[in-house]
Amino acid sequence: AQSVTQLDSHVSVSEGTPVLLRCNYSSSYSPSLFWYVQHPNKGLQLLLKYTSAATLVKGINGFEAEFKKSETSFHLTKPSAHMSDAAEYFCVVGAGTALIFGKGTTLSVSS
Amino acid sequence: KAGVTQTPRYLIKTRGQQVTLSCSPISGHRSVSWYQQTPGQGLQFLFEYFSETQRNKGNFPGRFSGRQFSNSRSEMNVSTLELGDSALYLCASSLGSGGLYNEQFFGPGTRLTVL
Repeated sequence: AQSVTQLDSHVSVSEGTPVLLRCNYSSSYSPSLFWYVQHPNKGLQLLLKYTSAATLVKGINGFEAEFKKSETSFHLTKPSAHMSDAAEYFCVVGAGTALIFGKGTTLSVSS
Repeated sequence: KAGVTQTPRYLIKTRGQQVTLSCSPISGHRSVSWYQQTPGQGLQFLFEYFSETQRNKGNFPGRFSGRQFSNSRSEMNVSTLELGDSALYLCASSLGSGGLYNEQFFGPGTRLTVL
């Protein structure tokens, strides 16, 4: 069965510093992996997706993620955090026509 | 193109009542999925409909049901409400055809409070 584990429930960074949100996955076959973001009182928005075309995936707003099969990881990074990046981030694996969500990581950005 | 819309946005019910939530997908999308979001359990998949047929179902009791109409609009129903059903219910739509992992577009959700 597919599952994802987000290794940090809360990450705090300063504006302008790098962001790293960690995610490990478990899948019995080649997975489809996603990162979604949820801002307060707003819907979920897709940041990026991995579907085996390339291991380094670029998304919106400067985010990217690297698929590492040997480490079963799909960590999300951004070189320089903005205040507007403060939100809840979800690592997600596709399971048939369903999405299996991680527990989420709250990103706080301080000025 | 209009996004996914959900009505109502907020609902307050009492234990034992039933509730119906509605979701209108993006025009042209034939797949609608429902998710429950709670602080304790996070985001959990409820079910997915494609062309009026339930194609996938999560691990929820039979009190949770849904349906899809010929225009792809979907409703979900929860009967005999329990306090633990208080949650944000999210609807997502996708093209649903071809590959399994079409991007899902989420609505703003319906906040259900059970008293």
